Amino acid sequence: EPEVTQTPSHQVTQMGQEVILRCVPISNHLYFYWYRQILGQKVEFLVSFYNNEISEKSEIFDDQFSVERPDGSNFTLKIRSTKLEDSAMYFCASSGQNNSPLHFGNGTRLTVT
Amino acid sequence: DQQVKQNSPSLSVQEGRISILNCDYTNSMFDYFLWYKKYPAEGPTFLISISSIKDKNEDGRFTVFLNKSAKHLSLHIVPSQPGDSAVYFCAASAMGGGADGLTFGKGTHLIIQP
Repeated sequence: EPEVTQTPSHQVTQMGQEVILRCVPISNHLYFYWYRQILGQKVEFLVSFYNNEISEKSEIFDDQFSVERPDGSNFTLKIRSTKLEDSAMYFCASSGQNNSPLHFGNGTRLTVT
Repeated sequence: DQQVKQNSPSLSVQEGRISILNCDYTNSMFDYFLWYKKYPAEGPTFLISISSIKDKNEDGRFTVFLNKSAKHLSLHIVPSQPGDSAVYFCAASAMGGGADGLTFGKGTHLIIQP
């Protein structure tokens, strides 16, 4: 069964550094998402992406964050200047249609020191 | 403001019995509800969904019930199996949109005891 893949599985970075989290969504999917889960808290929506543009973003997704689909397969989340509170599991997800369930990747654990 | 609430952080059920996981929501605009299952070190995996035009959806051992007037949904697993031990997230979206972000509950850790 096709799956969403995320790399790396664990990223450690120093505060203030830029990080890029990478995702390869399921190939025929059109809708792409990033979620995050801070340890011990709920999964939170960050951003959705469709037709090469952001369709919705949450309050968390401020100017430090950006997303890109640089080619036909990758979907990236960039955090420009990481803060300690950005430490979390970041999940990429994709779906084929507007109202179909999301398929999640296994996540990237980001640790900001 | 928790729009989706799962009030039980954990639930322990004997193998073979019924597991009932509950979820309440406050946003009356939600019209699509999903349950996801999550194992450690993995992403959430879709289990079952229900649209607000229905009150029940069944898929094998999993049944989701929706009570719109009470803004409550539940997931029933019967019979419960050891592999069902995981964290279960209730999620909801508004306006029938997948492009809108899902709002998740905090999850319920289901433990199936032999």
